[in-house]
Amino acid sequence: GAVVSQHPSRVICKSGTSVKIECRSLDFQATTMFWYRQFPKQSLMLMATSNEGSKATYEQGVEKDKFLINHASLTLSTLTVTSAHPEDSSFYICSAHLPGSGNTIYFGEGSWLTVV
Amino acid sequence: KQEVTQIPAALSVPEGENLVLNCSFTDSAIYNLQWFRQDPGKGLTSLLLIQSSQREQTSGRLNASLDKSSGRSTLYIAASQPGDSATYLCATTNTGNQFYFGTGTSLTVIP
Repeated sequence: GAVVSQHPSRVICKSGTSVKIECRSLDFQATTMFWYRQFPKQSLMLMATSNEGSKATYEQGVEKDKFLINHASLTLSTLTVTSAHPEDSSFYICSAHLPGSGNTIYFGEGSWLTVV
Repeated sequence: KQEVTQIPAALSVPEGENLVLNCSFTDSAIYNLQWFRQDPGKGLTSLLLIQSSQREQTSGRLNASLDKSSGRSTLYIAASQPGDSATYLCATTNTGNQFYFGTGTSLTVIP
C-alpha cells in the first residue's frame, strides 16, 4: 500500500485564492520531503526541499512567497499555493526519503491543480 | 546541474513488439537511476531502480540497463501490450535524494 499519501488528488480553485496540498508519510518519519511540479508535456521539476523544523530550500526560479512549504511534523509537509493563477495549474507531487534505507524514496500519488 | 533527456518523446508500436526507450544524463556522478511509469491523471509508479554500481535490473517484461560512464540508460519492454501505454520517465538521484527527471516518452501500444 501507499506509504506516502498526498491530498487532495485533484483540486480546482478560483484565481486569486490559496490552496493547500498535504503530503504525509504513513509508516515512517520523514525528516526530508521533496516537492515537484510538472507542467503539461514537460518533465517533473524539483521545486523545494522540505526540512522538518526548518525553512524549506527552494530551487532557483521558485517563488518562496507564492509556494509556502511547511514541514511542522515528521510525517507531514504541506505546500500552499498562494494567490493562485491559471499558470499555476500543474501536477504537484511530493516524495519522502525513508530514513535508514539508504536511498529508498517514496512518492505520493500527486495532486492535479486547476486554477480557473 | 543534472540534465536528463529522453528519446523519443513519443512512440507508437503495434501490440507484441519489443521496444527500447532511451535516457541520457549529463552528470555521471549519480547515486541511482530509476524508471517510472505515469498514467494520464495519475501519479508515478516506480518500475525499476538501478544502483550506480549495477549494470541492469529486470522485472517481468521490463529490463533496464545503466552505463554510468557514458551517461545512458535504456528501458527494454518485451512483447508490448496495450496496457503498457503510458508515459515513461527516467530519473537520476544524487546523494541528496533529489530526483532529476527526464521529459518522458509517451508510449502508445496499438492493439
